[in-house]
Amino acid sequence: AQSVTQLGSHVSVSEGALVLLRCNYSSSVPPYLFWYVQYPNQGLQLLLKYTTGATLVKGINGFEAEFKKSETSFHLTKPSAHMSDAAEYFCAVSDSYTGGGNKLTFGTGTQLKVEL
Amino acid sequence: DAGVIQSPRHEVTEMGQEVTLRCKPISGHDYLFWYRQTMMRGLELLIYFNNNVPIDDSGMPEDRFSAKMPNASFSTLKIQPSEPRDSAVYFCASMRASSTDTQYFGPGTRLTVL
Repeated sequence: AQSVTQLGSHVSVSEGALVLLRCNYSSSVPPYLFWYVQYPNQGLQLLLKYTTGATLVKGINGFEAEFKKSETSFHLTKPSAHMSDAAEYFCAVSDSYTGGGNKLTFGTGTQLKVEL
Repeated sequence: DAGVIQSPRHEVTEMGQEVTLRCKPISGHDYLFWYRQTMMRGLELLIYFNNNVPIDDSGMPEDRFSAKMPNASFSTLKIQPSEPRDSAVYFCASMRASSTDTQYFGPGTRLTVL
């Protein structure tokens, strides 16, 4: 069984400040890890994903995340927040051994607020 | 290219009525997923299909829920009879064949059952 824990349901940062959204996962097999963003009244959009290879993954809109197996973490960062980053962010995990299907388990989400 | 298309975008119905949600996946995608999003339970996978065949329906809440995929370009999620606790946003997502591929989400259907 897999699970994802996102610490902090709400995060507030100033424009230009560092964004750090935390995600820890639990998986009995090597995981695939994802970050999705959801803007109001829209569906989810993929920001970035880790499957294999380099543990530092770069995504869209200047976001990146680092897979740390020893810490079972996949935290999302962005050096400088922009007002347009205000949205809800979801971390998700899937089972690399499934061999297809990519059944995602989502965290409960973190609402990011960006203030002037 | 068109993304995942869902209809209707909003549905308001009364308890006991039948509700049908529709989804058109991205052309060429082999997998289709139905999710439900609520404040209480977050995002839950209800069911997913591979090549039009249901693979895992363990997330379907109860017998009132059913899903079909009669062909590669269309899927329905039906609730009969509907109840107020079914009120949620229902998302459809599609994906190509690889397990490392991205799921592409539709805009969702906001269902309100009075």
